[in-house]
Amino acid sequence: DAGITQSPRHKVTETGTPVTLRCHQTENHRYMYWYRQDPGHGLRLIHYSYGVKDTDKGEVSDGYSVSRSKTEDFLLTLESATSSQTSVYFCAISGAKNEQYFGPGTRLTVT
Amino acid sequence: GENVEQHPSTLSVQEGDSAVIKCTYSDSASNYFPWYKQELGKGPQLIIDIRSNVGEKKDQRIAVTLNKTAKHFSLHITETQPEDSAVYFCAASKGSGGSNYKLTFGKGTLLTVNP
Repeated sequence: DAGITQSPRHKVTETGTPVTLRCHQTENHRYMYWYRQDPGHGLRLIHYSYGVKDTDKGEVSDGYSVSRSKTEDFLLTLESATSSQTSVYFCAISGAKNEQYFGPGTRLTVT
Repeated sequence: GENVEQHPSTLSVQEGDSAVIKCTYSDSASNYFPWYKQELGKGPQLIIDIRSNVGEKKDQRIAVTLNKTAKHFSLHITETQPEDSAVYFCAASKGSGGSNYKLTFGKGTLLTVNP
């Protein structure tokens, strides 16, 4: 998985609770991304980062925030989880040549 | 924004046959087209990609072709094996840095290779 780890790998949480997912890379790549994967929708971009403290929204960013205080870490936060945010979340990284490499994913269930 | 359509959504072939998956894109400025393979319970794995300055690229049993005029690209797998069974995704981006690195994905093709 190209030096990418995600934690936790599985999480069950209740509606209304805050949740933070972590992506850690050892490749020193500039770009990092958060996607969600749902049946019938494929992979959709939530937020991405093009450097430390530089982030921008993707196509499904409502209800999510991100932070990147170090090159190696990209955090995704659900401030108040809802059942519609039950999904599998993938982190990806890319360097200068645009190839994106994905982490192993986090399965989040909001009850 | 970019829109990527992928067909078919499911594909079943006999071991040893060829498999072809096709994608179309809408933004003529897109210039980078990767393909990913995703096995059950794992993250997508980049298997091959093509940039708009070439029309075809091969890597052993896998090839990708690109028709910029028609705005479509295809994945070809020859001599399929049971371990090729997975979900395959195509994607497109402008690939020139910053926000242009964002990938837009097709919805995926479930390939089943029957022994």
